[in-house]
Amino acid sequence: DGGITQSPKYLFRKEGQNVTLSCEQNLNHDAMYWYRQDPGQGLRLIYYSQIVNDFQKGDIAEGYSVSREKKESFPLTVTSAQKNPTAFYLCASSIQGLDEQYFGPGTRLTVT
Amino acid sequence: GENVEQHPSTLSVQEGDSAVIKCTYSDSASNYFPWYKQELGKGPQLIIDIRSNVGEKKDQRIAVTLNKTAKHFSLHITETQPEDSAVYFCAATSYNQGGKLIFGQGTELSVKP
Repeated sequence: DGGITQSPKYLFRKEGQNVTLSCEQNLNHDAMYWYRQDPGQGLRLIYYSQIVNDFQKGDIAEGYSVSREKKESFPLTVTSAQKNPTAFYLCASSIQGLDEQYFGPGTRLTVT
Repeated sequence: GENVEQHPSTLSVQEGDSAVIKCTYSDSASNYFPWYKQELGKGPQLIIDIRSNVGEKKDQRIAVTLNKTAKHFSLHITETQPEDSAVYFCAATSYNQGGKLIFGQGTELSVKP
């Protein structure tokens, strides 16, 4: 059963702690993306990777870091430097950069 | 860079009526325009897309039109049903954007039985 999985669905952390969000895909897609969604707003791109061992900053990369050591995995770390980390985080993947992007179910992060 | 504006932000229709959501984009090089449906607490789901070499695409009750000259594209849903209620997002991208989708702000569609 192919798809994109994100875990966990809900995540709670204390302010000042780093936290890593998981994203795995078994679609054999080359490109992967991380978006942030705030209530009542569209999706904003955090980081994206078009190939293993390479990634680029999106529009709101400050306070976040990523790695792409395997084609199937693209974890996102929300660092303590991110000023407003509470949000809904969405991972997506596509065959190539211009093709359809398919989204995972999302992780809702709450930092208090 | 690309900027996508989406209207309206909320839309309420009676079951069976049609719904239209409009988006404008700024980068004339944009050539791929997907539409996503997002249900509460879930990830967006691609429902239809269009590339710049066509002006219209239809899939059952859903259609998308593209006007490259005016730089706008629209989503049309006919014979709406309560299960169409969701937030809809448009997006745009092009080769010189590296595949980065630029999203509109979203439209919350409510279909009343």
